[in-house]
Amino acid sequence: SQQGEEDPQALSIQEGENATMNCSYKTSINNLQWYRQNSGRGLVHLILIRSNEREKHSGRLRVTLDTSKKSSSLLITASRAADTASYFCATNQAGTALIFGKGTTLSVSS
Amino acid sequence: DAMVIQNPRYQVTQFGKPVTLSCSQTLNHNVMYWYQQKSSQAPKLLFHYYDKDFNNEADTPDNFQSRRPNTSFCFLDIRSPGLGDAAMYLCATSRETTADQPQHFGDGTRLSIL
Repeated sequence: SQQGEEDPQALSIQEGENATMNCSYKTSINNLQWYRQNSGRGLVHLILIRSNEREKHSGRLRVTLDTSKKSSSLLITASRAADTASYFCATNQAGTALIFGKGTTLSVSS
Repeated sequence: DAMVIQNPRYQVTQFGKPVTLSCSQTLNHNVMYWYQQKSSQAPKLLFHYYDKDFNNEADTPDNFQSRRPNTSFCFLDIRSPGLGDAAMYLCATSRETTADQPQHFGDGTRLSIL
């Protein structure tokens, strides 16, 4: 069963703009992870945020987590054409499998 | 560089003809996973190994089996591929199965069924 649900399904922006993707989930979690997938490639881990954290940064990435709303957001600032990819959130509880959402497809045009 | 390698990148097989996909890792991770990803869908876990312990997801078809002869290698066997098995198959590893472990993915094998 699917745990995470990303929104929007697709996002098109210009280089230099910020991109925000949201993820909602259904049950309580230990942590939430974000992954990127370039077309025809495997997934790359971007960032992990624990349930007791509210915000985390990594370079141009900013992730927030609101456990009361069961939601997370991924913000990519000053986007580049190379950020064009699909972005997935993934959640799991202790001892259970990582469950991925359907992803947001981001297109960044120059 | 430590990594997860999948071979081949593209595999074509005939309907009903057994096929094996391979994955190797140099990360020395305890856990290896196999995912199926169909077009524009989320990766779906088929099974995983913690060391030699095999863990099958409840809804993984019996047609799919796996072998892990040693820490570095893991194989996905599809005994009688059907048209619905055409997909990208992704191998991943993690150090442990605890919830705070990121997974490291290979670039996948895209399987086509004729």
